[in-house]
Amino acid sequence: DSGVTQTPKHLITATGQRVTLRCSPRSGDLSVYWYQQSLDQGLQFLIHYYNGEERAKGNILERFSAQQFPDLHSELNLSSLELGDSALYFCASSVGGGGIAEAFFGQGTRLTVV
Amino acid sequence: GDSVTQMEGPVTLSEEAFLTINCTYTATGYPSLFWYVQYPGEGLQLLLKATKADDKGSNKGFEATYRKETTSFHLEKGSVQVSDSAVYFCALTSRMSGGSNYKLTFGKGTLLTVNP
Repeated sequence: DSGVTQTPKHLITATGQRVTLRCSPRSGDLSVYWYQQSLDQGLQFLIHYYNGEERAKGNILERFSAQQFPDLHSELNLSSLELGDSALYFCASSVGGGGIAEAFFGQGTRLTVV
Repeated sequence: GDSVTQMEGPVTLSEEAFLTINCTYTATGYPSLFWYVQYPGEGLQLLLKATKADDKGSNKGFEATYRKETTSFHLEKGSVQVSDSAVYFCALTSRMSGGSNYKLTFGKGTLLTVNP
């Protein structure tokens, strides 16, 4: 158990809908990273938050957004969903902000868009 | 930009066979290098890491040496077990452009299947 909790584990929704994925980092970790894993693209970095502030953006679509709350949990919002958004979405946390020493990953949320 | 290339697999071995999974990288500066493992139905777990040239990371019988001259970080294990069946990802820390932030850049992963 990595200590990072993601909910829900599975999500099935229709095209055009909006979903929210939730991540609780390890106790004491201030950084949260979101990754998308798909068969064709592999693991793609989406976004990084540190202590409530956005630190870096990767290959995140404009239809996607995220935030980190004062209690340090994070939510990834995916809207106007398309079939191609079907993937595993991972959250990871680490202690630091400017430099990622090692990240601890949650078990992921499997999103299926039908 | 920074990138990681690893052998695509799948790799199928018999129990007690020797394992090598090749990983090479392209990066500016001096990245830290990692191997992560993903067991079926689970998230990624850090397997081992090396933070500077010639460092050797090791864990659970797996080893990898940071070779700056060949920009490589190959994963090896002398005798694999059925329980080692998983997907293995090579990764490096990569600085985000325009700032002091870093992210993990992953290879595409290598599926290893070990048969009894």
